[in-house]
Amino acid sequence: QVQLQESGPGLVKPSETLSLTCSVSGYSINSGHYWGWIRQPPGKGLEWIGSIYHSGSYYYNPSLQSRVTISVDMSKNQFSLKLSSVTAADTAVYYCARGGCSGGYCYSHYWGQGTLVTVSS
Amino acid sequence: EIVLTQSPGTLSLSPGERTTLSCRASQSVSSSYLAWYQQKPGQAPRLLIYGASSRATGIPDRFSGSGSGTDFTLTISRLEPEDFAVYYCQHYGNSFWTFGQGTKVEIK
Repeated sequence: QVQLQESGPGLVKPSETLSLTCSVSGYSINSGHYWGWIRQPPGKGLEWIGSIYHSGSYYYNPSLQSRVTISVDMSKNQFSLKLSSVTAADTAVYYCARGGCSGGYCYSHYWGQGTLVTVSS
Repeated sequence: EIVLTQSPGTLSLSPGERTTLSCRASQSVSSSYLAWYQQKPGQAPRLLIYGASSRATGIPDRFSGSGSGTDFTLTISRLEPEDFAVYYCQHYGNSFWTFGQGTKVEIK
């Protein structure tokens, strides 16, 4: 059973860097698939932030790419998100998820439970 | 960049009713990369449909998906109380994951 769990500070000050980690169990990140971050502002829809492949190749949402860094730590079976220069608009529930293809179909099957990050002084 | 537009924004329905949700893509997409998710308050999205029409493991057969090209639909044949939630379509690309803005199915 693949499980993902987000962790990190729930409160970040404006202009600082938001840092979150997603711990994966039941599957080795090194085995493949894409590992992504998605956020959801309160009362709003889902926004993809970016994804990283186990090889280290990554893709970011163009609207955020100047502030986003996603990295993988194979030794800990974790991947991380850093979002710099945050503002109140970055307040959201942040989800990590596994994406990939199976049998020719591609989708995001496994999600973490999400963690609320509030940007406030 | 592919944009997904879902309609309607909100549906007010009663248990037992049948409903169809729409997801329209800004350009033709492969149905292999079109998925639907259900999200309840305080929960992560749950995969319902992948490949436009294949039900994920454990999803009841009252949920069905169809479509191709730019027009996709999610049908719930008979609404159960636990089906009142927000539904999102997704186009999965390895280099970009796109979500529709969601359709809320609420109790009338």
